[in-house]
Amino acid sequence: EAQVTQNPRYLITVTGKKLTVTCSQNMNHEYMSWYRQDPGLGLRQIYYSMNVEVTDKGDVPEGYKVSRKEKRNFPLILESPSPNQTSLYFCASSSINRDRRNTEAFFGQGTRLTVV
Amino acid sequence: AQSVTQLDSHVSVSEGTPVLLRCNYSSSYSPSLFWYVQHPNKGLQLLLKYTSAATLVKGINGFEAEFKKSETSFHLTKPSAHMSDAAEYFCVVSFTGTASKLTFGTGTRLQVTL
Repeated sequence: EAQVTQNPRYLITVTGKKLTVTCSQNMNHEYMSWYRQDPGLGLRQIYYSMNVEVTDKGDVPEGYKVSRKEKRNFPLILESPSPNQTSLYFCASSSINRDRRNTEAFFGQGTRLTVV
Repeated sequence: AQSVTQLDSHVSVSEGTPVLLRCNYSSSYSPSLFWYVQHPNKGLQLLLKYTSAATLVKGINGFEAEFKKSETSFHLTKPSAHMSDAAEYFCVVSFTGTASKLTFGTGTRLQVTL
């Protein structure tokens, strides 16, 4: 079954304690990205990756890091979480067509992060 | 600049009446367009997509959308709302270019009443 798997689904942590949210896809997609969802703001892109070892900032990258060492995995790292990073996070993957546009994106189930 | 605007943050309809959720995009490039639905405490599910084929696109659960290039719009419609349609809907655009990304609208919350 085609899917994007995020872990954990729920996480409560304290300010400053490094954490990693994992994301894995089994569809051999080139494109992967992370979003955060906040009330009234929709989904905002944090980082994206066009392929292995190719990552770039999205609209709200401050306080986050990512890596893409393998095609299937795209972890999101918060080196020193702060309360303003409390949010619902989604990982997504898609392939890119010949026009360099994304095809349908597949989303993980989300990670609800609370930083106290 | 590339952007997508959902014109209504909240829409309320009665069960059995038509649904219209509006979406406009701003770009000089040819886009791919998507509508996603998010039910409470769930992930995002694709409803339908436009990728430069037919301008009228049919999706799941009776939804459809029409791409109108002259109006830069991609409004989502359904002839008859059902209670199970109550959810948040996102219009999403992917623009041709070297920096491919998905750009999300801010979402429209659809409420369906008896």
